[in-house]
Amino acid sequence: QQQVKQSPQSLIVQKGGISIINCAYENTAFDYFPWYQQFPGKGPALLIAIRPDVSEKKEGRFTISFNKSAKQFSLHIMDSQPGDSATYFCAASWNSGTYKYIFGTGTRLKVLA
Amino acid sequence: NAGVTQTPKFQVLKTGQSMTLQCAQDMNHNSMYWYRQDPGMGLRLIYYSASEGTTDKGEVPNGYNVSRLNKREFSLRLESAAPSQTSVYFCASSTTGGSSPLHFGNGTRLTVT
Repeated sequence: QQQVKQSPQSLIVQKGGISIINCAYENTAFDYFPWYQQFPGKGPALLIAIRPDVSEKKEGRFTISFNKSAKQFSLHIMDSQPGDSATYFCAASWNSGTYKYIFGTGTRLKVLA
Repeated sequence: NAGVTQTPKFQVLKTGQSMTLQCAQDMNHNSMYWYRQDPGMGLRLIYYSASEGTTDKGEVPNGYNVSRLNKREFSLRLESAAPSQTSVYFCASSTTGGSSPLHFGNGTRLTVT
């Protein structure tokens, strides 16, 4: 019930293409859904986040789509660039005194030049 | 602005040895966290501290202890290292309340032989 299932495990996209990463959850107590981007040798960094009262959030080339009834959310990277090559983690959090986060297993994205 | 600083960056231990991973943040955050990252398993919460003076177990606490030394510092101790603790360890911090994102350090890569 506390899991966040992420797919695909890896993704190869041509430059200029659209990258799509999907996540699903079970626990309806989750109320914050961030995506993190991680480059080799670095810690994850917040990319974009959404709350469940919104169905879509866009920041530049990055968009989160959120389907509350299906308990699914996805990250879309438009016009993918080689510099987007990284590992992406979805996460879900809830407040149990302090916010705790459950992470998906990660998607390794490679954008070909 | 350093953010979250972890030391050391790399460490090799023999089975049974002990060590302490150090973490400090300069963002005046109340909450601090320790995660481990393993291939195909995402980030798993080991321990967290909602505020100075409090600590709680996460998903995978066995074999670890923590100390919230003050508001800035949160250390992770391995009393008797095992090969199963070979991993990359990340410290993170966040403000308390609301959907505040996690800020990660750059990790400690630990190998136990």
